[in-house]
Amino acid sequence: NAGVTQTPKFRVLKTGQSMTLLCAQDMNHEYMYWYRQDPGMGLRLIHYSVGEGTTAKGEVPDGYNVSRLKKQNFLLGLESAAPSQTSVYFCASSPTANYGYTFGSGTRLTVV
Amino acid sequence: KNEVEQSPQNLTAQEGEFITINCSYSVGISALHWLQQHPGGGIVSLFMLSSGKKKHGRLIATINIQEKHSSLHITASHPRDSAVYICAVRKGNEKLTFGTGTRLTIIP
Repeated sequence: NAGVTQTPKFRVLKTGQSMTLLCAQDMNHEYMYWYRQDPGMGLRLIHYSVGEGTTAKGEVPDGYNVSRLKKQNFLLGLESAAPSQTSVYFCASSPTANYGYTFGSGTRLTVV
Repeated sequence: KNEVEQSPQNLTAQEGEFITINCSYSVGISALHWLQQHPGGGIVSLFMLSSGKKKHGRLIATINIQEKHSSLHITASHPRDSAVYICAVRKGNEKLTFGTGTRLTIIP
């Protein structure tokens, strides 16, 4: 009964390095989302997916790419990390657009 | 002006007190969510409502669509209720827009 699992939980990157954050859900949800959370700001949507093989941009997509090759996995990639991408990243999933979300436990990323 | 405004930003109360957290929004919505985020980060969905009132244990959520306002109440507050409470709204089938949260601290 894992729900939404994010890996890794913590990561420190040097400017210019790349990495991939993995989100996996075992609830057969169609919709998956990547958010970032910064101090003093609400969660902001980076990218989302409405089903396997689909992705779409959210409100802050620049510097990130995503893929949803399998329904249960949603990957967030940083091709060339920048200090401005230091944040806590949350993945979430929902069965439909008009349903509650299940969140992962977050990934704390620091770019130095 | 943010589409979703929460008040207060911070709230400290004694154990046992009745707690009210407010959320106001500026657009027509199809649903409003209340979420809880504990220290250490995990986010849990508490309620999703589009009208009226919902209750779960000591938590009560209400919404007034005409006034574009929702409240989250906690009865008989306990230190384990200490968390950040986040309001989020959905317009039609669009994605959620989140408030910045209310940090609640309950002192034993």
